[in-house]
Amino acid sequence: QKEVEQNSGPLSVPEGAIASLNCTYSDRGSQSFFWYRQYSGKSPELIMFIYSNGDKEDGRFTAQLNKASQYVSLLIRDSQPSDSATYLCAVNGGGQNFVFGPGTRLSVLP
Amino acid sequence: ETGVTQTPRHLVMGMTNKKSLKCEQHLGHNAMYWYKQSAKKPLELMFVYSLEERVENNSVPSRFSPECPNSSHLFLHLHTLQPEDSALYLCASSQVLGHTGELFFGEGSRLTVL
Repeated sequence: QKEVEQNSGPLSVPEGAIASLNCTYSDRGSQSFFWYRQYSGKSPELIMFIYSNGDKEDGRFTAQLNKASQYVSLLIRDSQPSDSATYLCAVNGGGQNFVFGPGTRLSVLP
Repeated sequence: ETGVTQTPRHLVMGMTNKKSLKCEQHLGHNAMYWYKQSAKKPLELMFVYSLEERVENNSVPSRFSPECPNSSHLFLHLHTLQPEDSALYLCASSQVLGHTGELFFGEGSRLTVL
């Protein structure tokens, strides 16, 4: 059974702080990793994807991947109240085999 | 129309009804998915179609029946559902490029079974 684990939260950070979201996965053969943001009552939208070990930065977002530790994280710098949402980690082991974590609820306090 | 569109957005049905959910993608993708999202549970993959052939069926009860007439359209036919089937049903699409193609989701169909 391939699993993706995330802390359900809620994770509360003050406005302007760095929010750190973490994800671990069980399938060592996983090749690609995605972070989705889901606002309440809305569908998931892709924020970032990462395939290689190391960091990938896009604006205020940085994804970090460590395949040896089976760990992927998402950092949000200068957090804004509009970042308050549930963040879903998804892992793909090849083809159409996407496995999602339960999501971490982030609350950015003004 | 752009992206992935789902209809209806909200559906209330009794346990003896038969209804269908519809999904259409305008992205030129060749894989389409049905996911179920229940409260406090991870997204559950139900069905995957790649190049119009079903490639995944995750032990879904037979009261859910998918149909993919072409690469742009996907249906989920519902009959004799149970109250525990109430959930958000999300359609997604992707381009089959090995492991690199990300999922694009529709807005979902919120289903309530009475």
